[in-house]
Amino acid sequence: AQRVTQPEKLLSVFKGAPVELKCNYSYSGSPELFWYVQYSRQRLQLLLRHISRESIKGFTADLNKGETSFHLKKPFAQEEDSAMYYCALKEYGNKLVFGAGTILRVKS
Amino acid sequence: DTGVSQNPRHKITKRGQNVTFRCDPISEHNRLYWYRQTLGQGPEFLTYFQNEAQLEKSRLLSDRFSAERPKGSFSTLEIQRTEQGDSAMYLCASSLEALRTEAFFGQGTRLTVV
Repeated sequence: AQRVTQPEKLLSVFKGAPVELKCNYSYSGSPELFWYVQYSRQRLQLLLRHISRESIKGFTADLNKGETSFHLKKPFAQEEDSAMYYCALKEYGNKLVFGAGTILRVKS
Repeated sequence: DTGVSQNPRHKITKRGQNVTFRCDPISEHNRLYWYRQTLGQGPEFLTYFQNEAQLEKSRLLSDRFSAERPKGSFSTLEIQRTEQGDSAMYLCASSLEALRTEAFFGQGTRLTVV
């Protein structure tokens, strides 16, 4: 079965420090991966997807098929990055398999 | 707000009662998804529609759960004879049927069964 693992429930960093949110997946085909973010009291929203190879709000994520990973990185954390982050894998029919999520807390 | 809309936002019900939730997707989106999220977990897929056709149901969707999308627009999710284990956030999302489109989520309906 397809699975997405986010090993950290909580990641706490100081403002200006680098951030790496880990995501590992298992998938039998060619994966399509996403990071979704949920800010306090807001709905779940797409942050970025691997096929776009873009940087959003300073975040990037590279798909590593050898390590089956899709870690989310940002060189300098900002307080407004504090949120819940979910890694997700797209299956047939466009449905998503989510990881359990990681809370990112950026301290001033 | 022209995004995905869900009603009610909160529902408290007694065990054994039936509840119904509504989702209004983004108007041009032909795909609609229901997910369930329990505390400490990511959203889990329940079912999805393409237009009015229900194309897939997760094994998580017991016989007490039924979803409809009668005219290919809004959708309802009904839970019959609710149990305490049904307490969760129920999320709706919609998307276009096309490659590389994203799913847009509603704010969810939080169900508490007492």
